[in-house]
Amino acid sequence: QSVLTQPPSVSAAPGQKVTISCSGSDSNIGNNYVSWYQHLPGAAPKLLIYENNKRPSGIPDRFSGSKSGTSATLAVTGLQTGDETDYYCGTWDNNLSAGVFGGGTKLTVL
Amino acid sequence: QVQLVESGGGVVQPGGSLRLSCEASGFTFGAYGMNWVRQAPGKGLEWVAAVWADGKRKDYANSVEGRFTVSRDISKKTLHLQMNSLRAEDSAVYYCARDEGLVRFQYWGRGTQVTVSS
Repeated sequence: QSVLTQPPSVSAAPGQKVTISCSGSDSNIGNNYVSWYQHLPGAAPKLLIYENNKRPSGIPDRFSGSKSGTSATLAVTGLQTGDETDYYCGTWDNNLSAGVFGGGTKLTVL
Repeated sequence: QVQLVESGGGVVQPGGSLRLSCEASGFTFGAYGMNWVRQAPGKGLEWVAAVWADGKRKDYANSVEGRFTVSRDISKKTLHLQMNSLRAEDSAVYYCARDEGLVRFQYWGRGTQVTVSS
């Protein structure tokens, strides 16, 4: 069982918006930045969001992140078929002195 | 450009050992912390271990503490993961990743497959 909790799956139609939640605690999300990753099969994970809401160069503004208290959210707007894959949140846990990831969310574009 | 290339994966029997390597190029290796992350078949990403930029602090997931050792050789720009007492549940693709901040991994390798099976 993951320290960070994500819904196993989310879905929406092309062009629509979807949000993926990531729930943690004071020892992780509550006191540290959150990153979000997109992981396509057979490829290395790709950093989408860092420091809760910042996008690396080259990541389209269709992807956005937010954080409130001990939860974080990834929003994807203007859904495309190419967005259909797995997404993970990640952060540091101060109590564990370890990195932690959510269990992952499979995004389906209907 | 930044490149990370893992090697050393393979098939090993339960209780056996493997040493993974991650060769870095395109950046000042000793200036960054480095991490290992794995993904078991059908499972999600799991953070495994980190060596901080100072080279002294090392952290491990509870699942590998006492069995795995992370190290780096700055002169060879190489990160290592010594894995001992391997178990079937250690079977996974192992990725190395450069740390830009806590669990902020901009650069990843392509991964190396480890299979623990008799």
